[in-house]
Amino acid sequence: SQQGEEDPQALSIQEGENATMNCSYKTSINNLQWYRQNSGRGLVHLILIRSNEREKHSGRLRVTLDTSKKSSSLLITASRAADTASYFCANRETSGSRLTFGEGTQLTVNP
Amino acid sequence: DAGITQSPRHKVTETGTPVTLRCHQTENHRYMYWYRQDPGHGLRLIHYSYGVKDTDKGEVSDGYSVSRSKTEDFLLTLESATSSQTSVYFCAISESSKTEAFFGQGTRLTVV
Repeated sequence: SQQGEEDPQALSIQEGENATMNCSYKTSINNLQWYRQNSGRGLVHLILIRSNEREKHSGRLRVTLDTSKKSSSLLITASRAADTASYFCANRETSGSRLTFGEGTQLTVNP
Repeated sequence: DAGITQSPRHKVTETGTPVTLRCHQTENHRYMYWYRQDPGHGLRLIHYSYGVKDTDKGEVSDGYSVSRSKTEDFLLTLESATSSQTSVYFCAISESSKTEAFFGQGTRLTVV
């Protein structure tokens, strides 16, 4: 399988805590992207980090990328109950066409 | 929201019948993708397209074919539906290899 792996598969935290999700991939990439999916809905793009970038921020989101380890992490700070969702990473291969997703992390934020 | 529409949204079909799912976009994006989502597997790529009549296989392409005769439409066909193809199917579009993807709302397919 060319799918990446995400870790943990499930994460349960209290409101106000930080949530960290990790992602590994297998190929050389052009960029790596994180998405969010609420139950029963389509995926929504959160943030994209290019292969020559090491860290990127967007609001309460912080993404890091380590191309030497073929891994990325997503940090959500000061989590809210509304952050409860599944989070997926996706890598865009260097060739540019294929967009491959990981298996996702189910985040539950308890009020 | 990006202009991407999947049809039908729900379908129940019998084993052995052909089924076609449609993805329509109004964004003129170059790339289009079909994924299936099953519990424990995340999203798995079935087929993708990088231009009109330019398509390639993903990791779970067996039993599926696609066609893209116009920029705006990407069709996924299950040639002879099987119960293992019961799933939620998502279409996605992307303007370029450097940009994010936008997803449709999904099609829930049940093969009985």
